[in-house]
Amino acid sequence: EAQVTQNPRYLITVTGKKLTVTCSQNMNHEYMSWYRQDPGLGLRQIYYSMNVEVTDKGDVPEGYKVSRKEKRNFPLILESPSPNQTSLYFCASRDTGKDTQYFGPGTRLTVL
Amino acid sequence: QKEVEQDPGPLSVPEGAIVSLNCTYSNSAFQYFMWYRQYSRKGPELLMYTYSSGNKEDGRFTAQVDKSSKYISLFIRDSQPSDSATYLCAMRRSGGSNYKLTFGKGTLLTVNP
Repeated sequence: EAQVTQNPRYLITVTGKKLTVTCSQNMNHEYMSWYRQDPGLGLRQIYYSMNVEVTDKGDVPEGYKVSRKEKRNFPLILESPSPNQTSLYFCASRDTGKDTQYFGPGTRLTVL
Repeated sequence: QKEVEQDPGPLSVPEGAIVSLNCTYSNSAFQYFMWYRQYSRKGPELLMYTYSSGNKEDGRFTAQVDKSSKYISLFIRDSQPSDSATYLCAMRRSGGSNYKLTFGKGTLLTVNP
């Protein structure tokens, strides 16, 4: 089954404790992206990647890092999480030449 | 002015009603328009995709784009309880390397049996 998976689905952590949210897709897509979804603000792009080793900032990159060492994986790293990073995070991938973006199931992160 | 405006609702309708969902946008650079459906505790899934002004129909769903007015709509005919979800409009610019989608805030729809 073609899908985007994220882990963990739920995470509660404390300020300053480094964490990684993993994202993996099995569709051989080159383009991957991270969004966060907040009430009243909608979905906003954090980072995106056009291909392996090619990443760039989206609209709200502060406090986040990403890496793209393999085509299928695009982890989101929070080096020192803060409470304002409490949010619902979605990973997405897109097939080259098509406009459909496939979203993962989401990771609900709470930073205390 | 936000780039994409969408009434968050909530919108509650009886089963079988025709539902109209709308978004306006301010940036004429947007050329590709989408509607995503998001069920509770799930990721968004693409429902409709349009490029040009006009109508596109898929079953009970019709997407309408009016670029001159910077206005897009989604119509749902014969609405069903299974249509209860948050509907997000999304759009992106042409060109460039980032296929970033700019989303509306979403409209929460409940279809009552």
